Amino acid sequence: DAGITQSPRHKVTETGTPVTLRCHQTENHRYMYWYRQDPGHGLRLIHYSYGVKDTDKGEVSDGYSVSRSKTEDFLLTLESATSSQTSVYFCAIKGTGTGEQFFGPGTRLTVL
Amino acid sequence: GQQVMQIPQYQHVQEGEDFTTYCNSSTTLSNIQWYKQRPGGHPVFLIQLVKSGEVKKQKRLTFQFGEAKKNSSLHITATQTTDVGTYFCAGDQGAQKLVFGQGTRLTINP
Repeated sequence: DAGITQSPRHKVTETGTPVTLRCHQTENHRYMYWYRQDPGHGLRLIHYSYGVKDTDKGEVSDGYSVSRSKTEDFLLTLESATSSQTSVYFCAIKGTGTGEQFFGPGTRLTVL
Repeated sequence: GQQVMQIPQYQHVQEGEDFTTYCNSSTTLSNIQWYKQRPGGHPVFLIQLVKSGEVKKQKRLTFQFGEAKKNSSLHITATQTTDVGTYFCAGDQGAQKLVFGQGTRLTINP
């Protein structure tokens, strides 16, 4: 599992509240990713990081921000959660082999 | 931007039947990866194809990469209940990013 953990694993929150999801890795990988998974859409990239303090947007970045102050942690923040952000969020790292990605266990977020 | 379309979205088979999912990209891919996600789980990497026309096998699973490097397929021979899950293809978008297909959810009647 490439030593990836996500917290929390489940969260229920209300519209308008800020939410931060954490991804933690133990193997010093450079590239980290945040995806959301929704029925019929597969996995869509929100943001990714290519090093400490180096991040870039994915295809569905609106309403999300990220931070990476140290190699092992990649945080995803919803500044003001909306019901459309109800989803399962996966963190992933890029392996050092052939470029495959290893995923964390996911966080199920419900915004009421 | 680059799009990766995957069909079918759902497939239900009897155990022992074959299964195929297809992936098509709007642009030429440098490589394509396949992932499997069990119900309630996270995606797990299966394989990467890089060369035009490449065919790789993993036991009952056969992966193909098209000659034009714009399409790919995954074929499972004689499905078993352990094959249940959602299969995703993912095209290398460059800049260390992947674009995933919508996935094909496979269910099996034992």
